[in-house]
Amino acid sequence: DAGVIQSPRHEVTEMGQEVTLRCKPISGHNSLFWYRQTMMRGLELLIYFNNNVPIDDSGMPEDRFSAKMPNASFSTLKIQPSEPRDSAVYFCASSLFEAGGSSTQYFGPGTRLLVL
Amino acid sequence: GIQVEQSPPDLILQEGANSTLRCNFSDSVNNLQWFHQNPWGQLINLFYIPSGTKQNGRLSATTVATERYSLLYISSSQTTDSGVYFCAVRRYSTLTFGKGTMLLVSP
Repeated sequence: DAGVIQSPRHEVTEMGQEVTLRCKPISGHNSLFWYRQTMMRGLELLIYFNNNVPIDDSGMPEDRFSAKMPNASFSTLKIQPSEPRDSAVYFCASSLFEAGGSSTQYFGPGTRLLVL
Repeated sequence: GIQVEQSPPDLILQEGANSTLRCNFSDSVNNLQWFHQNPWGQLINLFYIPSGTKQNGRLSATTVATERYSLLYISSSQTTDSGVYFCAVRRYSTLTFGKGTMLLVSP
């Protein structure tokens, strides 16, 4: 398997522009997670989906952020409008969640976002 | 929410030395993972270890769930072990990360 795939790997944009980050989870996994990593706040969970349904979006910073998972093999994280404080590395992770079983999360390579 | 504390925050080793990294957590958890973030930013899953002991080459981990801590052992360290080691615990379905231990192994 190719692992979790994220695109783009790097994104530089200007304040006010819309940014869309993409993620393809590992085939067969039923849970998908979006994380953000910054120097100040470390790794934070933004939102996670189970079976394509958003379960917990309490980590989404504000209404400028939205996430979708239209099918089991694709998810997007959108920021509109973007601001300089959104600059961070955004990770997508997926896992196979089974009640009572292992649910190791596997991370993608991340998208480095810089908002000027 | 659950608190995760890692120690030490920074560690410098000579190649070949051994080290122990610690993770304390404030509440019962369903699982615990150790990750290594390499200097290129890639997060690599090392262990899924909600309890007990596991070994993988020069690395091993022990979690004592009843006492709410986990230890990661690195033996005969190599320069490629450099990076940040994160402990993450799961309650229900979300992971909460510690702030990490930054390890530098010098030749």
